[in-house]
Amino acid sequence: SAVISQKPSRDICQRGTSLTIQCQVDSQVTMMFWYRQQPGQSLTLIATANQGSEATYESGFVIDKFPISRPNLTFSTLTVSNMSPEDSSIYLCSVYQGVSAYEQYFGPGTRLTVT
Amino acid sequence: DQQVKQNSPSLSVQEGRISILNCDYTNSMFDYFLWYKKYPAEGPTFLISISSIKDKNEDGRFTVFLNKSAKHLSLHIVPSQPGDSAVYFCAASDTDKLIFGTGTRLQVFP
Repeated sequence: SAVISQKPSRDICQRGTSLTIQCQVDSQVTMMFWYRQQPGQSLTLIATANQGSEATYESGFVIDKFPISRPNLTFSTLTVSNMSPEDSSIYLCSVYQGVSAYEQYFGPGTRLTVT
Repeated sequence: DQQVKQNSPSLSVQEGRISILNCDYTNSMFDYFLWYKKYPAEGPTFLISISSIKDKNEDGRFTVFLNKSAKHLSLHIVPSQPGDSAVYFCAASDTDKLIFGTGTRLQVFP
């Protein structure tokens, strides 16, 4: 199974600033996903990032707020821009890999607190 | 509109007994269902999945049942162990995307 790392593991940021989260996979993957888990809530898909193309954003998420880069098949970044306290969440990246269809492997997450 | 629902936020079970976690969905077009387990400060880990053309899938202590007519699936853990204490998410596949439920916190006590 894929080994996924994320940096930073946690951060406390001031409102109005931006934070870039990195996701590194130990093998080449076509599709990478970025999720958000707000306190006490489910995991919500932010966007799908394919190498060499623009990310596809889900309803309620926009590129200006959550720009994503996917420079190669093992790496992606998610930036949370102009942060507000409502952006306080755990942000997770994931990839498809496994025997079962649609089986996704997740990184450990980045816990973001905006003050 | 929550397409995947886990109506029980928490469940407490004695070690050795059966744990049953439930999940309901609204979209009959979902073609695959998955269960994930999440420990604090870790990402979710895949447990077991089931295709919509099946009604049961078993893997060791974990069995998932699917009732398409009721749009309901359940995860059975037998026997439950203290290490099973975690948050369990069900998820449904919508083309290439997974839609998650809100999770059920399982606590297995001695």
